Amino acid sequence: AQSVAQPEDQVNVAEGNPLTVKCTYSVSGNPYLFWYVQYPNRGLQFLLKYITGDNLVKGSYGFEAEFNKSQTSFHLKKPSALVSDSALYFCAVRDGGNTPLVFGKGTRLSVIA
Amino acid sequence: NAGVTQTPKFRILKIGQSMTLQCAQDMNHNYMYWYRQDPGMGLKLIYYSVGAGITDKGEVPNGYNVSRSTTEDFPLRLELAAPSQTSVYFCASTPGDGYTFGSGTRLTVV
Repeated sequence: AQSVAQPEDQVNVAEGNPLTVKCTYSVSGNPYLFWYVQYPNRGLQFLLKYITGDNLVKGSYGFEAEFNKSQTSFHLKKPSALVSDSALYFCAVRDGGNTPLVFGKGTRLSVIA
Repeated sequence: NAGVTQTPKFRILKIGQSMTLQCAQDMNHNYMYWYRQDPGMGLKLIYYSVGAGITDKGEVPNGYNVSRSTTEDFPLRLELAAPSQTSVYFCASTPGDGYTFGSGTRLTVV
């Protein structure tokens, strides 16, 4: 069965500094990995995905994520954080059989001006 | 293009009452899902459907039922509401890759 771990409930970063939100996963077979963002009182919005190919994936709003197969990780990164990046971030995984996504518990990112 | 539409946005139910959460998508997606979101717990899958007439249980199906008579609609039914069903419910659809989520239904059972 698939599983996702987001080890940090909260990440605080100063505006302009780089940010990292961590995610590790477990899946049988090749992983399909996703990051979603949720702003207050809204649904989840797609940020980026890794299916195959380059280990560094670029997505929306300047975010990127690095797939590391040996460490089974898919950390979300951004070179320079904005206050408007403050939100709840979810990592999700599924296997190649089009099973439903399994989500992590979420990490709340707070960017301080 | 409306995407995924959920109604109602908010609802308060008394214990034992029933209700249906509506979900409709206009993207002709085959796959549809219902998740519930509880604080600090992430999203848990309740039910999903891979096409009209086909539904399957997710991780937390007890107390819920679904139907999928058309590609567009995937309603979630609560028959005997319990306080443990207080949550935010999200519907999502996909053609087979990234999900599109609705804006959610916040349900309180008192």
